[in-house]
Order: sequence, then C-alpha cells, then structure tokens
Amino acid sequence: QVQLVQSGAEVKKPGASVKVSCKASGYTFSSFGINWVRQAPGQGLEWMGWISTYNGNTNYAQKFQGRVSMTTDTSTSTAYMELRSLRSDDTAVYYCARVPGGAHGDYWGQGTLVTVSS
Amino acid sequence: EIVMTQSPATLSVSPGERATLSCRASQSVISNLAWYQQKPDQAPRLLIYGASTRATAIPARFSGSGSGTEFTLTISSLQSEDFAVYYCQQYHNWPQTFGQGTKVEIK
Repeated sequence: QVQLVQSGAEVKKPGASVKVSCKASGYTFSSFGINWVRQAPGQGLEWMGWISTYNGNTNYAQKFQGRVSMTTDTSTSTAYMELRSLRSDDTAVYYCARVPGGAHGDYWGQGTLVTVSS
Repeated sequence: EIVMTQSPATLSVSPGERATLSCRASQSVISNLAWYQQKPDQAPRLLIYGASTRATAIPARFSGSGSGTEFTLTISSLQSEDFAVYYCQQYHNWPQTFGQGTKVEIK
C-alpha cells in the first residue's frame, strides 16, 4: 500500500533552518511528483511547491522563493523540504503529498509540526 | 495566481441531509480541480479530482461537478463521519492554490 512517512516534530529558533523528510513506499517513487503543503495553526492549506522525482525539476510558490529547497533521494525513495531563515509565522504542520503529474495530491504524509520560537 | 473562493465558510447540516459546497476560480481552470476532506489533526484526504472523478475508496455519496470557474461538491446524505473541513484546489496553473475551506458542522 502507498505510504508517505514524514520525519518527526521540530522546534527551531528564528533564523534557523529545518529539513523535513518524506519517505515513500508501496509504489515506484520516480513515477510521481511530490507536493509540499503547509498549514498554520487554525488556518487553511498553503501550497509551497512541487518537485519531480524523475528529474528533480521544481516549482516553488513565489512566497518561498529563495528560502525553500526541495530535493529527492531516489536511492531511498525520500523527498526533502528545507526551509531557511525561519520566522515565527513559519510555525505550521508541513505535509508532503504524492502527485500524479503536476496535479492533485492523492496520498499524503501524516504531517510534521515545525514550531519556530525563541 | 488563480484565487480560489469557497462558499459558504460554514455549513450547518443535519445528518441525512444534502450538503452543497461551492468553489469559484478567478479564471478558468478547465477541470483541473480537486476536493479534499480534512478532519481535526489529520492530513487532508483526496475526495475528487478532475472536478468530478471520485478518488479510490470514496463513497458514492460524494460527487463533484462543474468546469471552468464554477465547481460544486455535493454530499448526498451526510453521515456522522462527513463533518469536517473541505478544501478545493486548482492544479491548472502554477502556483497551485487552495480555497480557504468550508467547515461542515452538525446542525
């Protein structure tokens, strides 16, 4: 069965970086892209970007350009999202989702809570 | 970017009743639209993609319709497990964008 398992919760200080992992299983990793979506406490869903697991191409939301990097390791079927220069308003649950083509997320990870606090 | 607007923000419905949720795009997304359900402390769950195709294992009481800029998610007879927040998402253009959500609550 398809599973996306994310890394555990993180607490970071303002200005630091965080790297969240998303390990896929149950399907051919390089056949589907990965979306990263975040959700601040009590708020809606916010799309951060997409990465092709086939060739590493990325598409980032302008809001995160220059501050986010999405990568993959096909040898371990793992996707990564690194967010730098963290601020308090980056406190959120970060989700990865499997994406057929550049489309919808059909399977989602369980989410990773990132808390930014001094 | 394409702005997705959902209405209403909150929908109060009795179990067994029909619920109709709306999603409007600021420009045409053709049929490149998905609907998700999210319950508290859970990840979103894909319900509908391609505006009207039910995802795997989604009950037939969920249906999606529309194209272009106007879309509807209908839950024909609300069950207790359907009370949740529902989001639409367009994937026609980058950046992908979500609506702000509609909360379906028990009346």
